[in-house]
Amino acid sequence: EAQVTQNPRYLITVTGKKLTVTCSQNMNHEYMSWYRQDPGLGLRQIYYSMNVEVTDKGDVPEGYKVSRKEKRNFPLILESPSPNQTSLYFCASRPGRDLVKNIQYFGAGTRLSVL
Amino acid sequence: AQKITQTQPGMFVQEKEAVTLDCTYDTSDPSYGLFWYKQPSSGEMIFLIYQGSYDQQNATEGRYSLNFQKARKSANLVISASQLGDSAMYFCAMRENTGNQFYFGTGTSLTVIP
Repeated sequence: EAQVTQNPRYLITVTGKKLTVTCSQNMNHEYMSWYRQDPGLGLRQIYYSMNVEVTDKGDVPEGYKVSRKEKRNFPLILESPSPNQTSLYFCASRPGRDLVKNIQYFGAGTRLSVL
Repeated sequence: AQKITQTQPGMFVQEKEAVTLDCTYDTSDPSYGLFWYKQPSSGEMIFLIYQGSYDQQNATEGRYSLNFQKARKSANLVISASQLGDSAMYFCAMRENTGNQFYFGTGTSLTVIP
């Protein structure tokens, strides 16, 4: 089954404790992306990657890191989480061919609470 | 300026009635794509419908249709014959041909009343 898998689904942590949210897709998609969703703000893009070793900032990259060492994986790293990073996070992927109609497929989401 | 604007934070519709969810967008790129996603209370993002800027006809997918008015830069989602399972958050999104980012609106919460 074609899917984007995020782990963990729920995470409660404390300020300053490094964490990683994993994302994996099995569709051989070139493009992967991370979003955060906050009430009243919709989804905002954190980082995206056009292919292996190619990443770029989205609208809200501060406090986050990403890496793309393999095509299927795109982990999101919070080196020193703060309470304002409490949010619902989504990973997404789509084919990298430059067609506007390429649909993005989303993972199930990771709900993060930073105390 | 906001790339995607959804002005209806919440909407109610009677079961079996049709409902229109508004979306306006802002771009100077002549080539772009518009998307609608549904987010039920379980949280996942479900793709509903796509409209390309050069598409001659309005997109339709089952009970979903897109009222695309290019000159007005609007891409409203029409849900016909609403069902209780349509109760969810709905997001409009856009991708421009010249960029790699995907822009979302703030969403509209739809409640279907029995």
